[in-house]
Amino acid sequence: GAVVSQHPSRVICKSGTSVKIECRSLDFQATTMFWYRQFPKKSLMLMATSNEGSKATYEQGVEKDKFLINHASLTLSTLTVTSAHPEDSSFYICSVASGSHYNEQFFGPGTRLTVL
Amino acid sequence: KNQVEQSPQSLIILEGKNCTLQCNYTVSPFSNLRWYKQDTGRGPVSLTIMTFSENTKSNGRYTATLDADTKQSSLHITASQLSDSASYICVVSAGGATNKLIFGTGTLLAVQP
Repeated sequence: GAVVSQHPSRVICKSGTSVKIECRSLDFQATTMFWYRQFPKKSLMLMATSNEGSKATYEQGVEKDKFLINHASLTLSTLTVTSAHPEDSSFYICSVASGSHYNEQFFGPGTRLTVL
Repeated sequence: KNQVEQSPQSLIILEGKNCTLQCNYTVSPFSNLRWYKQDTGRGPVSLTIMTFSENTKSNGRYTATLDADTKQSSLHITASQLSDSASYICVVSAGGATNKLIFGTGTLLAVQP
């Protein structure tokens, strides 16, 4: 399967600041990447679908101006949490779609964001 | 409403024992069902994927079953090891253009020595 990395793995920031999370597909050219958020003891919730070279598609209830997604190349997508607040503290996970028959997704290791 | 429910919510077993995790879903149209293992603080890792026509699939000590008629799946873990301690997530892919994934809340398995 595809190898997906995320950076940073953990980040702590002050309320009101912006944080950028990178998602890289190390061995696979991904036209589509997904961004998820996971709160403690909850399931992954899809935030947005990131498409290379075009605007991301956001799920209902996710503010596109707050969660900026850039998918500038086939191996890199970034999620920027702007003006972060404590309620944005969560585990952010990206995934890469394989495009296979199963449309399998390969997940990154996640980024733990803590907003003070 | 598309939903995936898992049971039990949590489970504690002794090392070497077997266990079975359950997944019930109401997702339409159905494309495939996946089981993932998620270690604490890590992203999910795929264990098995099954389509409508597949009844069982194995991956080492993990065996998944699928009953598309009753919309139930199970994940059986044989001869558990301490490293099996993790959250096991059942995920159903809804067919159609979006191929959206519907995630269960997971079963938290703790394997004790």
